[in-house]
Amino acid sequence: GQNIDQPTEMTATEGAIVQINCTYQTSGFNGLFWYQQHAGEAPTFLSYNVLDGLEEKGRFSSFLSRSKGYSYLLLKELQMKDSASYLCAVSTDSWGKLQFGAGTQVVVTP
Amino acid sequence: GAGVSQSPSNKVTEKGKDVELRCDPISGHTALYWYRQSLGQGLEFLIYFQGNSAPDKSGLPSDRFSAERTGGSVSTLTIQRTQQEDSAVYLCASSLGHASPLHFGNGTRLTVT
Repeated sequence: GQNIDQPTEMTATEGAIVQINCTYQTSGFNGLFWYQQHAGEAPTFLSYNVLDGLEEKGRFSSFLSRSKGYSYLLLKELQMKDSASYLCAVSTDSWGKLQFGAGTQVVVTP
Repeated sequence: GAGVSQSPSNKVTEKGKDVELRCDPISGHTALYWYRQSLGQGLEFLIYFQGNSAPDKSGLPSDRFSAERTGGSVSTLTIQRTQQEDSAVYLCASSLGHASPLHFGNGTRLTVT
């Protein structure tokens, strides 16, 4: 079966840093994606990792360790607009089929 | 350019009726995916189409669900004899395929009464 696990909810203060962990066990692996989803809206793409290491994109960074089946999304200098659900998704075949975790709800407080 | 377009945005139907949900992908995207999302849950894979290959239907929950993609573009997801547990947001996405991010539509919120 496919298992993609991430925490249900995290709370952090505006301006702080939050790290969202994701562990996975899947039958195939062709990369890991992070998406952001605001309430009532469609998910939007944040980052993609296929090789081990850190990918940095502005205030957001994503890390992957394939041997450990582990990734994290790091959000720096948190802003109120970062309050959203963050979805970890693993591409399980060569055509981009994604299996999603249940999402981590991040709440940013003033 | 235009993003992924889904219609209708909301659909309320009575238990036992059939419904059709439409998705118009981004032009040039060869891959098209259907997911559904129940309240507070993650995205559940249903089906995807890639070019002219046979679709991957492994996520369809029952034989009441079917989908087609005509001319490699527009897709229709059909749910026959709807049940209350079918109530969810149905999301369509398209991409250029391997290693490309999925671009999602705004979804169709289906409510079965």
